[in-house]
Amino acid sequence: EPEVTQTPSHQVTQMGQEVILRCVPISNHLYFYWYRQILGQKVEFLVSFYNNEISEKSEIFDDQFSVERPDGSNFTLKIRSTKLEDSAMYFCASRGISDLNEKLLFGSGTQLSVL
Amino acid sequence: DQQVKQNSPSLSVQEGRISILNCDYTNSMFDYFLWYKKYPAEGPTFLISISSIKDKNEDGRFTVFLNKSAKHLSLHIVPSQPGDSAVYFCAAVNDYKLSFGAGTTVTVRA
Repeated sequence: EPEVTQTPSHQVTQMGQEVILRCVPISNHLYFYWYRQILGQKVEFLVSFYNNEISEKSEIFDDQFSVERPDGSNFTLKIRSTKLEDSAMYFCASRGISDLNEKLLFGSGTQLSVL
Repeated sequence: DQQVKQNSPSLSVQEGRISILNCDYTNSMFDYFLWYKKYPAEGPTFLISISSIKDKNEDGRFTVFLNKSAKHLSLHIVPSQPGDSAVYFCAAVNDYKLSFGAGTTVTVRA
């Protein structure tokens, strides 16, 4: 069964540093998402991406965040200057155009720790 | 964002018995509801969904019930198995965006 792949599985960084979280969505999917889960809290929507542009973003997704699909296969989340409160598990998800039931397929996540 | 609530953080059930997970929502614009299951160190995996125009959907051991007037849905797992031990997230969809509940940790006892 096709999978959404995320790398790295763990990322440790110093506060103020830039990080890039990488995702390879399902190959024929067209909609891409980033969610995050801070330890002990609920899974939160960050951003959705379609047709090479952001379709929606949450309040969390401020100017420090950006997404990119640089080469048609990877989908990246960049945090420009990390803060302690960015520490969370970040999940990438994708869905196909025929997935009318909004069945997102999630990757296994990248655990980001900001020190 | 408290649009989707799972008020029970945990549930313990004996193997073979029924697990009932509850979820409440506030946004009447939600048009689709899903349940996801999550094991430690893994991403959420889709379990079952229901459209807002239905009141029940069944898939094997899993049944989701929707009560629109009460803005409430539930997931029934019967019979519960040890492999069902996981965190279960209720999610609701509006305009292609998922809103998740906080999750319920289910422990199935042998």
